[in-house]
Amino acid sequence: AQSVTQPDIHITVSEGASLELRCNYSYGATPYLFWYVQSPGQGLQLLLKYFSGDTLVQGIKGFEAEFKRSQSSFNLRKPSVHWSDAAEYFCAVGGKTASKLTFGTGTRLQVTL
Amino acid sequence: ETGVTQTPRHLVMGMTNKKSLKCEQHLGHNAMYWYKQSAKKPLELMFVYNFKEQTENNSVPSRFSPECPNSSHLFLHLHTLQPEDSALYLCASSQADGGSNEKLFFGSGTQLSVL
Repeated sequence: AQSVTQPDIHITVSEGASLELRCNYSYGATPYLFWYVQSPGQGLQLLLKYFSGDTLVQGIKGFEAEFKRSQSSFNLRKPSVHWSDAAEYFCAVGGKTASKLTFGTGTRLQVTL
Repeated sequence: ETGVTQTPRHLVMGMTNKKSLKCEQHLGHNAMYWYKQSAKKPLELMFVYNFKEQTENNSVPSRFSPECPNSSHLFLHLHTLQPEDSALYLCASSQADGGSNEKLFFGSGTQLSVL
C-alpha cells in the first residue's frame, strides 16, 4: 500500500531564512509526487509535481523539491521564506490518476518576522 | 479564484437535519471529487465522478449521498450525521484524460460542524 509521512507537524522559521519540509513516501512503482499548500480558509493549491526526468523540480512561489529515490524522499525547499508562506503544506504520492493520490498529514509552517 | 466554488463556506447542523453541500467548477473538467479533511489526519477521498458517473466510493457511510447532475456540478447530501463527521469538506476537479499531467484543483471547502 502507498503511504506518505511528513514527520514535522509544525515548523517555525524566521522571515528570510531557508526552509526545508520533509516528505517520505512508500510506493510500489515509480511514484508521481506532489506538494500542495493550503492557506487558512482555503483549499489546496498545487505547488509542484514530479513525474519523471530531472529530479529537482521547480514550482510556483519560489519553491523547489528534490526527488531522491534511494531515500524515498521528496523534500520541499525554499531559499528565503516570506511571511506570506505561512500555511499548511501537504505532500502526496500516487500514480497517473488523481483519484489514486495519498496525502500526508501536513506540516504547518509559521513564519516569524 | 481557483475555478472551483463551494457553498456554503460554513454549515452548522443538528444530527437530525438534512443539508446539502454544493460544488461548481468553471474549468471544463470531466472529473469531480469529494474529500474530507479532519484535523491531524490525511485528506480522505470520499467519492469520484468521471463524466457524471460515480467511479469511486471509498466505503463512505450512507448518511453521505453524492449527486453529480452534470460535469460542472457536484452535491453532497447530508442526513443524520454524527458529531465525528464535523470536518472541512473539499471539492476538487481534474481533467482525467489518462495522461501524466492530471492535476487536482480544489475549492475552498465547507467547514461543517455537527452538533
